[in-house]
Amino acid sequence: QKEVEQNSGPLSVPEGAIASLNCTYSDRGSQSFFWYRQYSGKSPELIMFIYSNGDKEDGRFTAQLNKASQYVSLLIRDSQPSDSATYLCAVNWDSSYKLIFGSGTRLLVRP
Amino acid sequence: NAGVTQTPKFQVLKTGQSMTLQCAQDMNHNSMYWYRQDPGMGLRLIYYSASEGTTDKGEVPNGYNVSRLNKREFSLRLESAAPSQTSVYFCASSDLAEGWQFFGPGTRLTVL
Repeated sequence: QKEVEQNSGPLSVPEGAIASLNCTYSDRGSQSFFWYRQYSGKSPELIMFIYSNGDKEDGRFTAQLNKASQYVSLLIRDSQPSDSATYLCAVNWDSSYKLIFGSGTRLLVRP
Repeated sequence: NAGVTQTPKFQVLKTGQSMTLQCAQDMNHNSMYWYRQDPGMGLRLIYYSASEGTTDKGEVPNGYNVSRLNKREFSLRLESAAPSQTSVYFCASSDLAEGWQFFGPGTRLTVL
């Protein structure tokens, strides 16, 4: 059974701080990793993807991948109240067309 | 360019009724997906269509059927709705070369 695990939170950080969101996955065959943001009552929207070990930066967001330890993380620098949402980690195995989603981590950024 | 559209946005059914959820995408994507999202359980794949003319079961297919009508449209049918099918349903599409999926706005379904 392929699994993607996330702490449900809520993770509460003050405005301007770094928010660190973590995700672990069960299968070493995983190839592609995605972070989605979902506001309450809305649909998920893609914010980051990463395929190779290491860091990938896009604006205030950094995705980190460590395949040996089977975890992927998302760092949000200078957190803003508008970043308050649920963050979903998704993993693609092999060359399949399917994504397996974690249950999400709720982030609260306090003004 | 509307992306992924879904109809209806909200629906209330009685147990045993049937209905079809519609999804369309205008991004020329090959693959389309249906998910359900329940509180605390994340997104679970119901069915997917890797390309026009093909459909396959996902994690939770029981009680559902799908039709890939053409490259743009992928519908989800509940033949005999049950209260356990109360959920938010999302349709998504993807370009295989990129891998990530774009989601529609969702349908909120309540089965009484």
